[in-house]
Amino acid sequence: SQQGEEDPQALSIQEGENATMNCSYKTSINNLQWYRQNSGRGLVHLILIRSNEREKHSGRLRVTLDTSKKSSSLLITASRAADTASYFCVLRAGSSYKLIFGSGTRLLVRP
Amino acid sequence: NAGVTQTPKFQVLKTGQSMTLQCAQDMNHNSMYWYRQDPGMGLRLIYYSASEGTTDKGEVPNGYNVSRLNKREFSLRLESAAPSQTSVYFCASSLGASNTGELFFGEGSRLTVL
Repeated sequence: SQQGEEDPQALSIQEGENATMNCSYKTSINNLQWYRQNSGRGLVHLILIRSNEREKHSGRLRVTLDTSKKSSSLLITASRAADTASYFCVLRAGSSYKLIFGSGTRLLVRP
Repeated sequence: NAGVTQTPKFQVLKTGQSMTLQCAQDMNHNSMYWYRQDPGMGLRLIYYSASEGTTDKGEVPNGYNVSRLNKREFSLRLESAAPSQTSVYFCASSLGASNTGELFFGEGSRLTVL
């Protein structure tokens, strides 16, 4: 399968702690994106990292990409209860319109 | 700014009935997509439209048809609904192939087929 595989499938942490989610994949990619989905809502784009980039920051988010290991990680620092959601890594291979979604990591941040 | 709007938000059908899910975007995007999401899973692409006037099959097109009515609107039709089509359907749009590929999603349409 080309899809991203997120690890862990579920994560429960205390507010204020950091949350790290990992994504592994098998295909060559153009870019890799992370999306958040609150329960019962649509997905919201968080951050995109291109295949020639190794690290990217956006606010409390830090994404790394290791194309040699075909893996990416999303770090959320100083987590808040509002960060409770599912997080998906999404692969874009070449010029394909067919973005490939992983099955997601369910994050619970306890107040 | 509405973004991507889907209707209806909820629908219950009986097996064999037909229905159309509507999607409209007001961001002047070229590309539009229909995905389905089943419990505990990521999204799977049903159909997409790279630009006005074109549509292509995704991973799971069987049982569905689409129409790119104009640049703003992309509809998904179930001709004869089956229980296996019970799912949450998401419409999305993106600027087009030359951009980064960021998708903008609607809020979803929850369909139950009895």
